[in-house]
Amino acid sequence: EVQLVQSGAEVKKPGDSLRISCKGSGYTFSTYWIAWVRQMPGQGLEWMGIIYPGDSDTTYSPSFKGQVTISADESTSTAYLQWSSLKASDSAMYYCARLPGYQYHMDVWGKGTTVTVSS
Amino acid sequence: IVLTQSPATLSLSPGDRATLSCRASESITGRYLAWYQQSPGQAPRLLIYAASNRATGIPDRFSGSGSGTAFTLTITRLAPEDFAVYYCQQYGSSPPWTFGQGTKVEI
Repeated sequence: EVQLVQSGAEVKKPGDSLRISCKGSGYTFSTYWIAWVRQMPGQGLEWMGIIYPGDSDTTYSPSFKGQVTISADESTSTAYLQWSSLKASDSAMYYCARLPGYQYHMDVWGKGTTVTVSS
Repeated sequence: IVLTQSPATLSLSPGDRATLSCRASESITGRYLAWYQQSPGQAPRLLIYAASNRATGIPDRFSGSGSGTAFTLTITRLAPEDFAVYYCQQYGSSPPWTFGQGTKVEI
């Protein structure tokens, strides 16, 4: 079964750093793009960026470029989303999702990681 | 590309037909538009890709249509589990591959 398993909920303070993860299984992780999607409380979905684990080719939405870093580790089939200095406005649910390769919709989703940033 | 979904909320009853609209600010190449369903507290689920192709395991009461700038998701005979929020997403242009703001289908 193809799965994306995301890391658990995080509670952080403003200014903290954070890295959340998304581990793929049931398929060849390195050959499928992974996307990250933000959903702020009570709001819609926002496309943040994508990474191709095979060569770490990454594209960011202009809204998120410079605010987060997307990375991946082929050896552990894991993609990451990280912040160097969190803000309260980063509080949201973050989903990872797989792109099937023949097109760029998102066919498999993780369950999401809740990030809460509060002093 | 900006996607505008309408209506924002659709109030219907089980067994009704739902028609959701997604309009793009410019033509979407290759009909590269997807629809997702998000039930409360759940991750989104892919319903339709490339405008009209049902994803694996999606019931045939869900159908997608459209091209260019106008796309539609139709749900015939709403089942209780279909009351959720629906998002369209385009991936025909260069990234970012934007979402619409969502349509809530409520009882």
